[in-house]
Amino acid sequence: DAMVIQNPRYQVTQFGKPVTLSCSQTLNHNVMYWYQQKSSQAPKLLFHYYDKDFNNEADTPDNFQSRRPNTSFCFLDIRSPGLGDAAMYLCATSTYAGGSYNEQFFGPGTRLTVL
Amino acid sequence: AQSVTQLGSHVSVSEGALVLLRCNYSSSVPPYLFWYVQYPNQGLQLLLKYTTGATLVKGINGFEAEFKKSETSFHLTKPSAHMSDAAEYFCAVSEPPGNQFYFGTGTSLTVIP
Repeated sequence: DAMVIQNPRYQVTQFGKPVTLSCSQTLNHNVMYWYQQKSSQAPKLLFHYYDKDFNNEADTPDNFQSRRPNTSFCFLDIRSPGLGDAAMYLCATSTYAGGSYNEQFFGPGTRLTVL
Repeated sequence: AQSVTQLGSHVSVSEGALVLLRCNYSSSVPPYLFWYVQYPNQGLQLLLKYTTGATLVKGINGFEAEFKKSETSFHLTKPSAHMSDAAEYFCAVSEPPGNQFYFGTGTSLTVIP
């Protein structure tokens, strides 16, 4: 089945220790997104890629970076995690065609704990 | 600016009762509208969407929603709640149609046996 895969599902890191979360998709979608979701809150968009074009949300901290080496993979790098970065990180994909973004398909998420 | 309001951050219903989750949006043009469901420690799953055409949209798991332009609403309903419906529900809006998503703050649905 076509899907969005996130690894690992649970990640523990130490305060200030860089961490990378990964996302892969078999949907061949040209758009990939990273969201941060804190407890009992809506997902907050961090950035998205349309093909290789990177689009950063204005309020995304510089501590968060992303890489998309090819269509299938996208990585979220947190350079110096703080306690406030503990959250669920969701990857999503969609298609963009004819000037429209279509519905988003989400992965299961990675829950990040910062000690 | 686009905004999505979900009235009631927590809703409790008895098993077999009607489920009604409310979503209102602010938009100068009819947007695309979506409902997603999230089970604990999982990603979001699309329940249904409205883009154009028929204003009553049927989704998975027996859910449906009606786009009412005059009320700027897109409420989610299900005639008879099941225990497995307990989850977090997010309304999302894309405006102009096909642009980026804006999520509501979510409604946690509890189903009482």
